Amino acid sequence: DIQMTQSPSSLSASVGDRVTITCRASQSISTYLNWYQQRPGKAPKLLIYTASSLQSGVPSRFSGSGSGADFTLTISSLQPEDFATYYCQQSYSTPWTFGQGTKVEIK
Amino acid sequence: QVQLVESGGGVVQPGRSLRLSCAASGFTFSSFGMHWVRQVPGKGLEWVAIISYDGRNTYYADSVKGRFTISRDNSKNTLYLQMNSLRAEDTAVYYCAKDRKWLEAFDIWGQGTMVTVSS
Repeated sequence: DIQMTQSPSSLSASVGDRVTITCRASQSISTYLNWYQQRPGKAPKLLIYTASSLQSGVPSRFSGSGSGADFTLTISSLQPEDFATYYCQQSYSTPWTFGQGTKVEIK
Repeated sequence: QVQLVESGGGVVQPGRSLRLSCAASGFTFSSFGMHWVRQVPGKGLEWVAIISYDGRNTYYADSVKGRFTISRDNSKNTLYLQMNSLRAEDTAVYYCAKDRKWLEAFDIWGQGTMVTVSS
């Protein structure tokens, strides 16, 4: 199975900050990498697919980059509604696997 | 409005069975692959199973292979997860999710249904 490792596991940031979350795969997965946001008590929401494509309806302050084994999710200017947990997920091969999550908290 | 609504969760004893349902609306259900993903409360996400748009192809996580069966009824716009020989470690919120494109990403999720396996 492909292991996905996110860093950091949690971070504290202020509204307006630029936030970067990284995700590393245990092998090359090309650009088969997706990012999700999960607010407390809610289902996950797709933000970015195939490493850098913005899902319809997602604000442009979210962006993704990377290929191979190293990927990044960037929030250019953190908004109050962005405080949540973020997960990366690989769709290169079954079983699809997720990172352990990065919790973004208010500083 | 694109929507997925799960049902069928509850409390069940170890070794027993449960069937989850996921009712889809607002999109052409018969054109898309569908998944089940689960999450232990307070923990991360675990993919469980996928079924192709026509039901001909299925894949499972090793943790549920041989015990769970994913199926669909395209005439009823409904996805199912038959869970047999349930274990305490199957306790989780179960989400159904739609494939954005075959084997790509989960673009629509249901609200989840809680399954608790306990004696």
